This record gives sequence, C-alpha cells and structure tokens, in this order.
Amino acid sequence: QSVLTQPPSASGTPGQRVTISCSGSNSNIGSNYVYWYQQLPGTAPKLLIYRNNQRPSGVPDRFSGSKSGTSASLAISGLRSEDEADYYCAAWDDSLSGWVFGGGTKLTVL
Amino acid sequence: EVQLVESGGDLVQPGGSLRLSCAASGFTFSSYTMNWVRQAPGKGLEWVSYISSPSDTIYYADSVKGRFTVSRDNAKNSLYLQMSSLRDEDTAVYYCVTQQLGFDSWGQGTLVTVSS
Repeated sequence: QSVLTQPPSASGTPGQRVTISCSGSNSNIGSNYVYWYQQLPGTAPKLLIYRNNQRPSGVPDRFSGSKSGTSASLAISGLRSEDEADYYCAAWDDSLSGWVFGGGTKLTVL
Repeated sequence: EVQLVESGGDLVQPGGSLRLSCAASGFTFSSYTMNWVRQAPGKGLEWVSYISSPSDTIYYADSVKGRFTVSRDNAKNSLYLQMSSLRDEDTAVYYCVTQQLGFDSWGQGTLVTVSS
C-alpha cells in the first residue's frame, strides 16, 4: 500500500492530452514539493518534473505538473507512442522522515 | 557525464547479509546527497535510504530500519548499503540515486534476490 495514491493505469491516443493524478496528505504533498518520474520499459527511472511544476533540461514542454492542496497531477499533451511508460509521483513525508512514492501509473498509448 | 555503477547484488538466503556498493563518477560526489531506491520485480519504486553529503544526516524507510546501514566514502566516490537480516520482501533491484533537483541521476541497478 503506497503512501501516495495513483491510478494503476491510464491511456490515450496519439495527440491526445492525458492526466495522471497523485493523492497524498498534509504530511507529504500538502507541505512539500511533488516530483514525477518516468520509467520506460527495462530502464531506470528518469526525473520528469521537480518542485511541482519545473522541468529539468531536456524534458519536453509537453509534460507539465501541478499541485493543489494534498493532490498533484501530471499532464502530457500531444501524446506520443514513446510516452508509453510507468509514471511515479513522489514527495518528502514529514511524519515518516522519508521519501514516499505513488504506486505508479502505467500509461498506454493506443 | 554522471555515472553511477552499482554492484554487490546476489542471491542470498533469508537472514543473510549483503553489502551493495555504488561507484560514482562524472560529478563532485562529495557535494551530493545520495539515496538508495529499490524496485521489487514487477512492482513500483520504494525509497530505502538517504545520506547527506557529509554523512551527518541519514534516514531510512521503516521497512529497513535497524537492518540496513547506509554509508559513503567521499574520498573514494562511493556509496554503500550494508544489508542484514534479509527477508524475502527485500528482493529487488537496488538503485543508487543522486539528489539535487529531485532524484536526478540513477544507476542501472543491482539485483538482490533473497530466497532459500
């Protein structure tokens, strides 16, 4: 049982916009930044979004993040086949004194 | 270019011990906070441990507290994870990860299998 809650799956067709939600609590998302990671099949995860809505250098602006209260979301616009991957949200948890992850969302591009 | 190379993964019996290593290069290792993150086969990511650059702040996930010990040698650009009293549920790929903007750079991982 993950501390952060994500839908197990999401899907969309090429060109569509999809969003992935991440729900937490006051001790994690409610009081700290949210991060998003993309894990392509068979590879290590990659930082996609940091500090709620910032993109590291090299991440396309098709990817965007937002946060409101104890929830956050990742939006992917102009969906492409290469976006098919697992996506994880993460945040620091003040009560646990540690990082917590969502269970991951498998994105399928139909 | 940042490189993180984990090693030490192996098949070990329940109750056994193992030491993982992570060799870092391509960046100023001594300036970076480091973490271990694991992923059980077919499962999601689980944070394991955090160690600050001078090793003065260390955190562990509740699932490994008291059994795992993280350490680093900045002179050798290396991160370690000493694992003891291993359980079946510790079976996972263990990643060495830098922390700056977020979990910025990840190694390729090393597989630890706990089984009799």
